[in-house]
Amino acid sequence: AQTVTQSQPEMSVQEAETVTLSCTYDTSESDYYLFWYKQPPSRQMILVIRQEAYKQQNATENRFSVNFQKAAKSFSLKISDSQLGDAAMYFCAYRGIQGAQKLVFGQGTRLTINP
Amino acid sequence: NAGVTQTPKFRVLKTGQSMTLLCAQDMNHEYMYWYRQDPGMGLRLIHYSVGEGTTAKGEVPDGYNVSRLKKQNFLLGLESAAPSQTSVYFCASNVLRTGELFFGEGSRLTVL
Repeated sequence: AQTVTQSQPEMSVQEAETVTLSCTYDTSESDYYLFWYKQPPSRQMILVIRQEAYKQQNATENRFSVNFQKAAKSFSLKISDSQLGDAAMYFCAYRGIQGAQKLVFGQGTRLTINP
Repeated sequence: NAGVTQTPKFRVLKTGQSMTLLCAQDMNHEYMYWYRQDPGMGLRLIHYSVGEGTTAKGEVPDGYNVSRLKKQNFLLGLESAAPSQTSVYFCASNVLRTGELFFGEGSRLTVL
């Protein structure tokens, strides 16, 4: 079974600086999707960024980018120019392409932005 | 476009009581999921459905039942609530092409 591990329960960063959240996963599949979801205090789950495993190019969405290392099974999220609105829980998630396409989530990292 | 809607948003139960959480999606998605979120454990899959009339167990199915009588609705039932089922419950539906899950706003359930 696939597993996703986020080893940083909490992280903090100064406003306008850059922070990187770590995620590792375990799978025997060769093709899959990886995601980062953001959960602000409102509790809503918001998709931040998505990466297809067959793509070598790292995904980017404005201030958010990933470092996808397929061989190392690592998928870190970099947030540049951190803003107060970035404060939230961040979840890394894995989804295979076969079967019911269930998302497997990591434990989450709580990100605090210091003004 | 409402997306994924969960009702109720909050509920307090006594041990042994039963209740049903309703999830409705208006995006014509085939796949639907129920997750629970507990501190330090991320989201864990309870049950899921790959189409109308089908359901399957996820990672933590004990104490829950589900039904998918209509494509747009996915119900999660607790027949005899226990304090261990105190949690935040999320429903989601799946865009097959992109793999993205669309989530409801969550339902906070407290079992006393």
